[in-house]
Amino acid sequence: EAGVAQSPRYKIIEKRQSVAFWCNPISGHATLYWYQQILGQGPKLLIQFQNNGVVDDSQLPKDRFSAERLKGVDSTLKIQPAKLEDSAVYLCASSFSGVEAFFGQGTRLTVV
Amino acid sequence: GQQVMQIPQYQHVQEGEDFTTYCNSSTTLSNIQWYKQRPGGHPVFLIQLVKSGEVKKQKRLTFQFGEAKKNSSLHITATQTTDVGTYFCAVTGGFKTIFGAGTRLFVKA
Repeated sequence: EAGVAQSPRYKIIEKRQSVAFWCNPISGHATLYWYQQILGQGPKLLIQFQNNGVVDDSQLPKDRFSAERLKGVDSTLKIQPAKLEDSAVYLCASSFSGVEAFFGQGTRLTVV
Repeated sequence: GQQVMQIPQYQHVQEGEDFTTYCNSSTTLSNIQWYKQRPGGHPVFLIQLVKSGEVKKQKRLTFQFGEAKKNSSLHITATQTTDVGTYFCAVTGGFKTIFGAGTRLFVKA
């Protein structure tokens, strides 16, 4: 079974630039999550989709972050404009049952 | 929103020693999950506990859910260098999965 695919693996951008991350969940998984993990901290949920609908985005900084999951499969997370404090690993995860979440390798973002 | 506190933040042990991390909540939890994240890696699901007082074992790992369903623990017997990483508890409520800050385990050979 293929795992959760994310790209790119690494990204370095200057502050005020924009960036986009892509995630392809495990086939058949209706639930998709985007987490932000700052070094030394636990993953922080940014947004959760059930199929192509948003279940929760209460911690998503909506003035600069946006996410979509077209057709209930792939998802993209965008940051525009980026700030220094956005430097983190962005993890995508998917789940079939809503219990066990399978994580991708993550995208390490560095904002300089 | 729902939060969980994990202690300790860090733990250094000698290989062969035991290790325990605790997860505490001020509110009753419907369930609790445990994940392990190796250095440079991504979180990997270990187990979910649902029932009050539940105890589950996976080889040298023992997971326990408190009677009041407000706390949980993960105990590793006779640690090995392969146990190195950060152990997170996570709780699901309102369809959201919220992670604790984690306990980072260092094992000295």
